[in-house]
Amino acid sequence: AQKITQTQPGMFVQEKEAVTLDCTYDTSDPSYGLFWYKQPSSGEMIFLIYQGSYDQQNATEGRYSLNFQKARKSANLVISASQLGDSAMYFCAMREPFGNEKLTFGTGTRLTIIP
Amino acid sequence: DTGVSQDPRHKITKRGQNVTFRCDPISEHNRLYWYRQTLGQGPEFLTYFQNEAQLEKSRLLSDRFSAERPKGSFSTLEIQRTEQGDSAMYLCASSLWTSVTDTQYFGPGTRLTVL
Repeated sequence: AQKITQTQPGMFVQEKEAVTLDCTYDTSDPSYGLFWYKQPSSGEMIFLIYQGSYDQQNATEGRYSLNFQKARKSANLVISASQLGDSAMYFCAMREPFGNEKLTFGTGTRLTIIP
Repeated sequence: DTGVSQDPRHKITKRGQNVTFRCDPISEHNRLYWYRQTLGQGPEFLTYFQNEAQLEKSRLLSDRFSAERPKGSFSTLEIQRTEQGDSAMYLCASSLWTSVTDTQYFGPGTRLTVL
């Protein structure tokens, strides 16, 4: 069963605008972690932001913030003031405990920033 | 600050040949993960090590695949008798596992093409 769903295969956004990338997840465990990674065309997965299931506040890292809605099981990534260098694939991932703590990834969203 | 490195970055081989990839994690990290990513998909977990112990292997890891981390530092992933279906990006990640956090940092990947 798919545990991470990213419904936007591609998005086009004007430079300097904010963008929201959607991610929903499915787990029955109360303790889990949610991650966002960026993958430029070079292939490297770059860690952006982390949200723990027990964290009271939404995570923020610079221009990145995570809109965490636990009851809806969503963890959307918000990028403020988008830049041309933000053009890349973005992956949402979940880590569940009590196992090997592997990451389960979604299929990704390709973000293109238009000048 | 040295990140995760992988070698080679690209490998082209003929079907039936054996290939070996190397991953050097961030020096103080105790966990090392291998993932495989095919075109248009997110990475899929293959196996992981805590120090030198291999703690779990995915069903994706057939008996043609073997991974080692002999001294708890670098790791190798070997594929024997390669098949065209093995063509993918092989990603290595490392983390400093604690009871609080386990953020995985990825290397640049090895892109394998089996002809």
